[in-house]
Amino acid sequence: AQSVAQPEDQVNVAEGNPLTVKCTYSVSGNPYLFWYVQYPNRGLQFLLKYITGDNLVKGSYGFEAEFNKSQTSFHLKKPSALVSDSALYFCAVRDDGGGFKTIFGAGTRLFVKA
Amino acid sequence: GAVVSQHPSWVICKSGTSVKIECRSLDFQATTMFWYRQFPKQSLMLMATSNEGSKATYEQGVEKDKFLINHASLTLSTLTVTSAHPEDSSFYICSAREQRHPNQPQHFGDGTRLSIL
Repeated sequence: AQSVAQPEDQVNVAEGNPLTVKCTYSVSGNPYLFWYVQYPNRGLQFLLKYITGDNLVKGSYGFEAEFNKSQTSFHLKKPSALVSDSALYFCAVRDDGGGFKTIFGAGTRLFVKA
Repeated sequence: GAVVSQHPSWVICKSGTSVKIECRSLDFQATTMFWYRQFPKQSLMLMATSNEGSKATYEQGVEKDKFLINHASLTLSTLTVTSAHPEDSSFYICSAREQRHPNQPQHFGDGTRLSIL
């Protein structure tokens, strides 16, 4: 069965510093990995995805994520955090043999302090 | 980009009322739509998956008669919470995917906050 874990409930970082939000996954087939962001009282916005190819994926708003097959991880990163990046971030996984269901992690709340 | 419109964004109603939430894909055809429920400070809980023109597939523990889902067209799905009670109060989010292919991201509506008094 597929699963995804976000080990940190909350990440705090100072504005201008690099940020990392962690995600690990488990699938039976090849993984399709996604990051979404949610602002208060809003739905989720798609940030980036990994399907195949380069392990470093670039997405919206300066975010990027690194796929590591041996560690089954897909950590979200940004070189320089902004206060406006403060939000709830969800990692999601779907495997190529698992039909259409996407599994979401529990979410990590990012606080960027000015 | 692909836009999903969800309406209403906020509903407050009395216990026993039925509430309908609409989810529309504005600039693409959504063969598959998903309905999620989100509790405060928690992740999304998938309630059901619907494919246009067929019955929805409900997740274990979700009452089919309580949460009626209709996906009558490629651009519209509705969730009706029948005889709503305070425990049904939650944030409901719909999502749509354009093609039956796993590498397409899901596009989400802005959610509906349902408060049952």
